[in-house]
Amino acid sequence: QKEVEQNSGPLSVPEGAIASLNCTYSDRGSQSFFWYRQYSGKSPELIMFIYSNGDKEDGRFTAQLNKASQYVSLLIRDSQPSDSATYLCAVKATGGSYIPTFGRGTSLIVHP
Amino acid sequence: DVKVTQSSRYLVKRTGEKVFLECVQDMDHENMFWYRQDPGLGLRLIYFSYDVKMKEKGDIPEGYSVSREKKERFSLILESASTNQTSMYLCASSLVSKRHFGELFFGEGSRLTVL
Repeated sequence: QKEVEQNSGPLSVPEGAIASLNCTYSDRGSQSFFWYRQYSGKSPELIMFIYSNGDKEDGRFTAQLNKASQYVSLLIRDSQPSDSATYLCAVKATGGSYIPTFGRGTSLIVHP
Repeated sequence: DVKVTQSSRYLVKRTGEKVFLECVQDMDHENMFWYRQDPGLGLRLIYFSYDVKMKEKGDIPEGYSVSREKKERFSLILESASTNQTSMYLCASSLVSKRHFGELFFGEGSRLTVL
């Protein structure tokens, strides 16, 4: 059973702080890792993906991957109230697997 | 931009009714998915299709069926709706290629209430 674990939160941070969201996964065959943001009442939207160990930066967002420790994280710098949402981690193996495994998401609240 | 369109945003049906949820994507993606999302339970895969007329059961297929007669269209069918099928239903599509790693593109969702 492939599992992706996230702390459900809520994670509360002040505006301007760094928000750190973590995700662990059980399948060592996982090769692609995704972060989706989901606002309340809306559908998930992709914000980052990473497939190599290390960091990947896109604007205020940084995804970090450590395959040896089987975790992936998302850092949000200079957090804004508009970042308040649920963040879903998803992982996918290669080798013909098309189906990602999703975590249940972490709720982030950025307060002014 | 990839666009995944779900036919109905909000539906209210009665127990025992047959319900059709339709999804269309415009980017020639091979893979299409139907999920349901409930508070505290996250996204749960109902069915997956990797090609026309091909389908695979997901984690919770009971009470549901699907149809994929054309590449761009993936329909979810509730043969006899029950109150425990009240949920948010999300359709998604993906492409796996040298430039794509299987990221999912979601429709806006269909919130179904079964009375």
